[in-house]
Amino acid sequence: QSALTQPASVSGSPGQSITISCTGTSSDIGGYNYVSWYQQHPGKAPKLIIYDVSNRPSGVSNRFSGSKSGNTASLTISDLQAEDEAAYYCSSFTSSPSWVFGGGTKLTVL
Amino acid sequence: QLQLQESGPGLVKPSETLSLTCAVSGGSISSNYYWDWIRQPPGKELEWIGNIYYSGGTNYNPSLKSRVTISVDTSQNQFSLRLGSVTAADTAVYYCARHVASNSLFDVWGQGTLVTVSS
Repeated sequence: QSALTQPASVSGSPGQSITISCTGTSSDIGGYNYVSWYQQHPGKAPKLIIYDVSNRPSGVSNRFSGSKSGNTASLTISDLQAEDEAAYYCSSFTSSPSWVFGGGTKLTVL
Repeated sequence: QLQLQESGPGLVKPSETLSLTCAVSGGSISSNYYWDWIRQPPGKELEWIGNIYYSGGTNYNPSLKSRVTISVDTSQNQFSLRLGSVTAADTAVYYCARHVASNSLFDVWGQGTLVTVSS
C-alpha cells in the first residue's frame, strides 16, 4: 500500500497559522472519516492530536484543527508557538482493511 | 494510566526472525481495543505493520503479510510481533500502540525500541 502524500516541510513564524495537507485516494481518506494526525518530537513516540478528521483528544490545544475535502485531509495550526516545531503525520483507515500513514511533514517555527 | 513497553533483542541477523513483546500495564488487554505494531526506519516515516484484537483476530499490512505474525497472551497481558526473513530494510524503531477500533486511532504508544538488522 502507498503512503499518503504530505509536503516534506512547512515553516511559519510565531503567531502565524500553517496548514499541512495529506492526500490519499477514494480507498482511504476519500472513503472514510477516519483520518487522524500525530505530532512527533525528535526521539519521542508520536502523540495523537486529531482523530475522526476534526476531533481533538482531551488535553490537546484548540490551536490544532483538522478538516477533509474529497481525498485530501488538512491539519491547521494557528498561533504558532516554538513548541509546535516537530514532525506531523496523518493516518487513515483503508479498505483492505489496513491503516496507512503519510510521509510526514517537518514543521519549522522560524 | 495505561502504559505500553516494548522489549526484545536490539540486534538481529539478516534472514533471521525479529521477535518483540509489548507489555500492557495499568489496564487490561482484554478490552475493546486493537493492539498494533508500527515501525519507523531511522529518519523516515511511520509504517503500520499490523494489529490484533484480544480475542485473536488480526489484520496485517499487505506488503508485510507474508512475513508477519502477531499474537496475544491475555494471561500475561501482552502481545507480540514476529517478523521473518529480515533484511537491513527492516531496521527501525518498533512501536506498540493501543488502537481504538471504533474511531480508528492510536491513542497510547510505547516509547519504541530500535531493532538493527546486521550481521
